[in-house]
Amino acid sequence: EAGVVQSPRYKIIEKKQPVAFWCNPISGHNTLYWYRQNLGQGPELLIRYENEEAVDDSQLPKDRFSAERLKGVDSTLKIQPAELGDSAVYLCASSLAGTSYNEQFFGPGTRLTVL
Amino acid sequence: RKEVEQDPGPFNVPEGATVAFNCTYSNSASQSFFWYRQDCRKEPKLLMSVYSSGNEDGRFTAQLNRASQYISLLIRDSKLSDSATYLCVVNMGNDMRFGAGTRLTVKP
Repeated sequence: EAGVVQSPRYKIIEKKQPVAFWCNPISGHNTLYWYRQNLGQGPELLIRYENEEAVDDSQLPKDRFSAERLKGVDSTLKIQPAELGDSAVYLCASSLAGTSYNEQFFGPGTRLTVL
Repeated sequence: RKEVEQDPGPFNVPEGATVAFNCTYSNSASQSFFWYRQDCRKEPKLLMSVYSSGNEDGRFTAQLNRASQYISLLIRDSKLSDSATYLCVVNMGNDMRFGAGTRLTVKP
């Protein structure tokens, strides 16, 4: 069974440019998460989806970040415009919906470098 | 105070040693607890869930103390392959909060 798929794996852009990350969760997983992980830190939740609904986006910097999960399957996270401080690994994870006890499965992440 | 705090490490131990990590959390209403393992430049993967009664999986033992709001992970008979960062994870509602991780290096 395929795991969580993310692309691209690496992205280097100049500041003020836009960038987008794509995630395809494990089949059947209704809950999808986007995290940002800075070097030496744990993942920080940006947004959580239950199917196509964003149920928690309180940590998403809405002035420059946006996300969508139009059909309740794959998702896109966008930054426009990117800033130097956005350099990080962006992780997507998915889990079965329903309880807080479900394991989250992570994708390999997209490593973003903003120059 | 951070929601989830861990010993930052690094812990450098010889093969065969026993090592323990602690993690404290701030929200007393937290519902579930986990330890994830993250290898260098890889994604986190679930190591084990932490149950109220404590649980063991081979060389790994996890404990939860709700009164003091901390969880622990004990690794016995450390292997070289145990070298990784161990992330404490606390579920507050449906949102996971990760600690910054404790780095472990097991040396020959």
